[in-house]
Amino acid sequence: AQTVTQSQPEMSVQEAETVTLSCTYDTSESDYYLFWYKQPPSRQMILVIRQEAYKQQNATENRFSVNFQKAAKSFSLKISDSQLGDAAMYFCAYKTDSWGKLQFGAGTQVVVTP
Amino acid sequence: NAGVTQTPKFQVLKTGQSMTLQCAQDMNHNSMYWYRQDPGMGLRLIYYSASEGTTDKGEVPNGYNVSRLNKREFSLRLESAAPSQTSVYFCASKIASNQPQHFGDGTRLSIL
Repeated sequence: AQTVTQSQPEMSVQEAETVTLSCTYDTSESDYYLFWYKQPPSRQMILVIRQEAYKQQNATENRFSVNFQKAAKSFSLKISDSQLGDAAMYFCAYKTDSWGKLQFGAGTQVVVTP
Repeated sequence: NAGVTQTPKFQVLKTGQSMTLQCAQDMNHNSMYWYRQDPGMGLRLIYYSASEGTTDKGEVPNGYNVSRLNKREFSLRLESAAPSQTSVYFCASKIASNQPQHFGDGTRLSIL
């Protein structure tokens, strides 16, 4: 069974600084997708970024970028120029099969301080 | 655009009561999912429907049933609620296998 591990329960960052969230996963598949979702206090699940395993280039969305290391089964998220609105719970997720079932990590709470 | 709509947003039940959580999407998506979110844990899949007319168990299906009423609607039923089912429930949908899931705003369910 695939598992997704987020080892940092909470990370604190100052405004305008950079924070990196770690995620590792276990799989025997070669083709899969990885996602980072953001959950603010409003409880919404918002897609931040996604990575296709067959693509070597790391995905980037504005201030959000990933470091995808397929051999190490690592998928970290970097938030640059952090803003107060980035404060939220961040979940790493792995798409397990063609039906699109997601396996989630336990989440990392990001706290942004002024 | 409404996206994925869940009703109700909050509900309190007594042990043994039954309840149906409703989910509807207006994006013409094929696949729909029900997850539960508990403190300290990520979302866990309860049931999913890959397409209209099909449903399958996920990671934690015990105590739940689902109905894919039509392409738009996917309901989750608790026949006899238990305190262990106190959680936040999310419905999600997506159109194709390589596309991300879109989530509803969740239902906070408390069972006393």
